[in-house]
Amino acid sequence: GAGVSQSPSNKVTEKGKDVELRCDPISGHTALYWYRQSLGQGLEFLIYFQGNSAPDKSGLPSDRFSAERTGGSVSTLTIQRTQQEDSAVYLCASGKSGGPVNEQFFGPGTRLTVL
Amino acid sequence: AQTVTQSQPEMSVQEAETVTLSCTYDTSENNYYLFWYKQPPSRQMILVIRQEAYKQQNATENRFSVNFQKAAKSFSLKISDSQLGDTAMYFCAFGRDWAGNNRKLIWGLGTSLAVNP
Repeated sequence: GAGVSQSPSNKVTEKGKDVELRCDPISGHTALYWYRQSLGQGLEFLIYFQGNSAPDKSGLPSDRFSAERTGGSVSTLTIQRTQQEDSAVYLCASGKSGGPVNEQFFGPGTRLTVL
Repeated sequence: AQTVTQSQPEMSVQEAETVTLSCTYDTSENNYYLFWYKQPPSRQMILVIRQEAYKQQNATENRFSVNFQKAAKSFSLKISDSQLGDTAMYFCAFGRDWAGNNRKLIWGLGTSLAVNP
């Protein structure tokens, strides 16, 4: 079956512009996560959606960042008024709702470059 | 709060040899899950191996095995017969018991492994 997909794979934008990053999770997965990964660094948690529950937004670095998940499937991460420090790879992952293992399946990421 | 520590930022190994990547974690919980993920230069993060804390037997997946020491809160990854394709960043991650509502994983900072020909 299809894995997690993300688009675009690369995005170059100018400082101050808004960007939208898209994530299509694996069909049937109710958990969806967004991470940020700066060059050569680990994963920085941003936001987590689980079914119809209120999302865990505790990792969003500022109010310029927001995310939504429509119909429990596709998710969009929006960064408003982008800054150069927003340059990073943004990874999306999805997970199953049941079972004892909270394994996450990752997409290929979107590389964002803010000039 | 849980934390995950990978004390080796970079490692290298000769092809066909064995290498061990270390990971320690801190938690007060009794039931949890531990994962090793691999991120090759292509950027695609993939699961290598996972361990349930309630299982005493160490998990094994082909050339990959773990040494899980629950009392010491240690979870090292051993790669046997290293191959060039094993060159990647390796991340250790901690997950709470699934019965909890929050399924966030706590991630280490990663170890960059280079397999040399």
